[in-house]
Amino acid sequence: KAGVTQTPRYLIKTRGQQVTLSCSPISGHRSVSWYQQTPGQGLQFLFEYFSETQRNKGNFPGRFSGRQFSNSRSEMNVSTLELGDSALYLCASRRTVLTGELFFGEGSRLTVL
Amino acid sequence: AQTVTQSQPEMSVQEAETVTLSCTYDTSESDYYLFWYKQPPSRQMILVIRQEAYKQQNATENRFSVNFQKAAKSFSLKISDSQLGDAAMYFCAFPSGGGADGLTFGKGTHLIIQP
Repeated sequence: KAGVTQTPRYLIKTRGQQVTLSCSPISGHRSVSWYQQTPGQGLQFLFEYFSETQRNKGNFPGRFSGRQFSNSRSEMNVSTLELGDSALYLCASRRTVLTGELFFGEGSRLTVL
Repeated sequence: AQTVTQSQPEMSVQEAETVTLSCTYDTSESDYYLFWYKQPPSRQMILVIRQEAYKQQNATENRFSVNFQKAAKSFSLKISDSQLGDAAMYFCAFPSGGGADGLTFGKGTHLIIQP
């Protein structure tokens, strides 16, 4: 069974640009969550999608957005990039929102110059 | 808001020895899960072990076990017979809002295995 797949793995952007990251969950998993990981703030919850609906969102500005498609694949978008957005963005999936365990992808490392 | 505290930024242990990583949390909920995740260098995060709060028995997965003290809100991870492959960042995690608000992670403990 294929794991959680994130693309791209690495990318470099400049301030003011926007970026879109993609996540394909494990087959059969309908929930996709996104987390931001930085050395200073650690792992922080961005948002979770289930059946194409955003269930909740962490404490991030509106520049951070996402969506989920009918096949459960998800994308997150960051507009007007700032230097502080440089981070490892992790996607995680689970079968349902009642299932505690998350399965993580390898992450997309974003560098903003 | 729930908080998760890992007080040991870094731990070092000799290969084949036992090491315990600490985690405390704060919540007003009575029924919940707790997790330990492992993140090896440049590799994906994987679940090491999970504990259901209503269970009095501590969870065990091979060389990994937990010491769950619900009243003290403590959830430590014990790794027995440490192996070089255990070297990683270890994160304690707690479902916020009953899981509705994602997982709240501790800052992590960097575990070094000395050969």
